[in-house]
Amino acid sequence: DTAVSQTPKYLVTQMGNDKSIKCEQNLGHDTMYWYKQDSKKFLKIMFSYNNKELIINETVPNRFSPKSPDKAHLNLHINSLELGDSAVYFCASSQDGPVNYGYTFGSGTRLTVV
Amino acid sequence: DQQVKQNSPSLSVQEGRISILNCDYTNSMFDYFLWYKKYPAEGPTFLISISSIKDKNEDGRFTVFLNKSAKHLSLHIVPSQPGDSAVYFCAAFTGNQFYFGTGTSLTVIP
Repeated sequence: DTAVSQTPKYLVTQMGNDKSIKCEQNLGHDTMYWYKQDSKKFLKIMFSYNNKELIINETVPNRFSPKSPDKAHLNLHINSLELGDSAVYFCASSQDGPVNYGYTFGSGTRLTVV
Repeated sequence: DQQVKQNSPSLSVQEGRISILNCDYTNSMFDYFLWYKKYPAEGPTFLISISSIKDKNEDGRFTVFLNKSAKHLSLHIVPSQPGDSAVYFCAAFTGNQFYFGTGTSLTVIP
C-alpha cells in the first residue's frame, strides 16, 4: 500500500494549458506539502496544508493553486503553463513535527511543458 | 539563496568501505538536520536526523555528525553496500520549513 501517491507520474503538455496533479496520503498525517525539484536538483517548498489551512505559501506564481478537499488529499492546479514550470513535483506529508520522522514523500510527477 | 549546500554532486566508494557525504549550511538558526535517500523514480525517504544540540547521532550503519562552529554536517555509512547507491539529500529545518541541498549521488561499487 503506497503511503503517499501522486498521479500522474509523467505529464507532458503544451504551453498555456491548465493541468492538475493529484496527491493522496493514507497515513493519517495532518500536514501535506508540495515541493518542486528544478533542473538543478534543488528541492524547494511550494505549499503546505494543515487541517485545510494554508500555512506556508512561498513566492510561487498565483498560477499555482493547491486544493485540499480533505485531510488526505492535496491537489496542485497549474494554470497557463509555462516552459519554466517543467520540473519534478513532489507531494509529501508529515505528522507530529517533521523534524523527528521527516516527511513521507510521493514518488514525484515529472511535468514537461513543450 | 541556497542555505544548504552539497558541493559534491557524486561519490563512488568500494563495497565495505566508508562513505562520507558532506553538507554545509549558512543559517545558524537551523534547529534540526535530516538526511534523505532517494532512488530513481521514487520520492526521497527519511534516513536519519540530528538536533542542533547534539553533535552525533547513530542508527545502525548510518551516523550523522554535526559541527555547528563550522556549519557542517556529514553522513557516514559503514560498511557501504551496493544497495546504498542512491542520491542523498541533506535538509535543515527552522521555523516551519525545510531547506534542502541539491543532493549527492552515491555509487557503491561491488
